[in-house]
Amino acid sequence: DAGVIQSPRHEVTEMGQEVTLRCKPISGHNSLFWYRQTMMRGLELLIYFNNNVPIDDSGMPEDRFSAKMPNASFSTLKIQPSEPRDSAVYFCASSFRASPMNTEAFFGQGTRLTVV
Amino acid sequence: ILNVEQSPQSLHVQEGDSTNFTCSFPSSNFYALHWYRWETAKSPEALFVMTLNGDEKKKGRISATLNTKEGYSYLYIKGSQPEDSATYLCAFRTGANNLFFGTGTRLTVIP
Repeated sequence: DAGVIQSPRHEVTEMGQEVTLRCKPISGHNSLFWYRQTMMRGLELLIYFNNNVPIDDSGMPEDRFSAKMPNASFSTLKIQPSEPRDSAVYFCASSFRASPMNTEAFFGQGTRLTVV
Repeated sequence: ILNVEQSPQSLHVQEGDSTNFTCSFPSSNFYALHWYRWETAKSPEALFVMTLNGDEKKKGRISATLNTKEGYSYLYIKGSQPEDSATYLCAFRTGANNLFFGTGTRLTVIP
């Protein structure tokens, strides 16, 4: 398996534009997490899905952020409209929740977003 | 969103020194505690998963302990080497299957 795949790796956009980040989890994993990494707050959990269903989106900073998981192999994180303070690295991670000992999360390479 | 705290925030040690750092997490609704190693420009990689109070895990020179009743875990590195330089993250998982990370301890090992 190629691991968790995120695209694009880098995104530079102008303030006010819509940005869509994509994630392909590891095949067979049933949990997917979106994180935002900033210098001040480290890795913030934005939202996570179990079996394609959003379970907790309380970490999503504002209504401008939305996430979907239409099927087990694809998820998107959308920011509309984007603002300069959204600039960060966004990570996607997936795991297979079978037992407490088998819940290691695997991370993608991240998308570095810059909003100018 | 649950609060996971790590200390210290950063640490410089000399090559060969042993070191340790702390992860504090809520003691209620505990499911699992993860430690990750995160090198610059790479993705976090899992080191340990611990689930039982009193668990101890070891991988080479790195080991970790877990106290779920008081809500803390320690990560130990014995005989630090320059290649151990990284940010060490802990993550707390509740029964709801979320995964909350601390802000990490950035370790620099000076040759």
